Amino acid sequence: EAGVTQFPSHSVIEKGQTVTLRCDPISGHDNLYWYRRVMGKEIKFLLHFVKESKQDESGMPNNRFLAERTGGTYSTLKVQPAELEDSGVYFCASSQGSMKDEQFFGPGTRLTVL
Amino acid sequence: KNQVEQSPQSLIILEGKNCTLQCNYTVSPFSNLRWYKQDTGRGPVSLTIMTFSENTKSNGRYTATLDADTKQSSLHITASQLSDSASYICVVSLVSGGSYIPTFGRGTSLIVHP
Repeated sequence: EAGVTQFPSHSVIEKGQTVTLRCDPISGHDNLYWYRRVMGKEIKFLLHFVKESKQDESGMPNNRFLAERTGGTYSTLKVQPAELEDSGVYFCASSQGSMKDEQFFGPGTRLTVL
Repeated sequence: KNQVEQSPQSLIILEGKNCTLQCNYTVSPFSNLRWYKQDTGRGPVSLTIMTFSENTKSNGRYTATLDADTKQSSLHITASQLSDSASYICVVSLVSGGSYIPTFGRGTSLIVHP
């Protein structure tokens, strides 16, 4: 069974540009989460989808970030326009049940904003 | 402020030796505590998960303990192997408005030398 996959693995963009990250959860997992790790800091929660609905987006840093989950399958996280402080590793995770259940993480997308 | 503090920040041990990693938290109200292993360039992988009422949980050579009164947890690794070299992350989830918000520690970087 395939795990959580993320694309791209790395992205280097200039300040002001737009970047879209994609996450494909494990098939059948209704719950999908986005996290971010900024250099030298801990991983932080961004938001939680249940199927196509946003259950909790309290961790989204500002309105330059837009997450979608069309049809309750894969999810995208768009950053527009990107700023230098957006650099970091963006992780996606999925779980079968609620947030109390084990979450399976993807390998992450390393975003560098120059 | 909800925080998760891990110690030590890094640790070097010889193959075959045991080690114990510490996690102190101030997260409240507490839902569950997880330990993750993160290899370089990969996403975190769950090792153990404990709820408020559990004191210990084992997964092979990994044993996690939890003292909810003192808000401390430890992860004990027995008979370390080279493949144990990784970052170990403590994650405490709090209950907030029906959601479970995870708070991550910065991790302990473990290096196992032959």
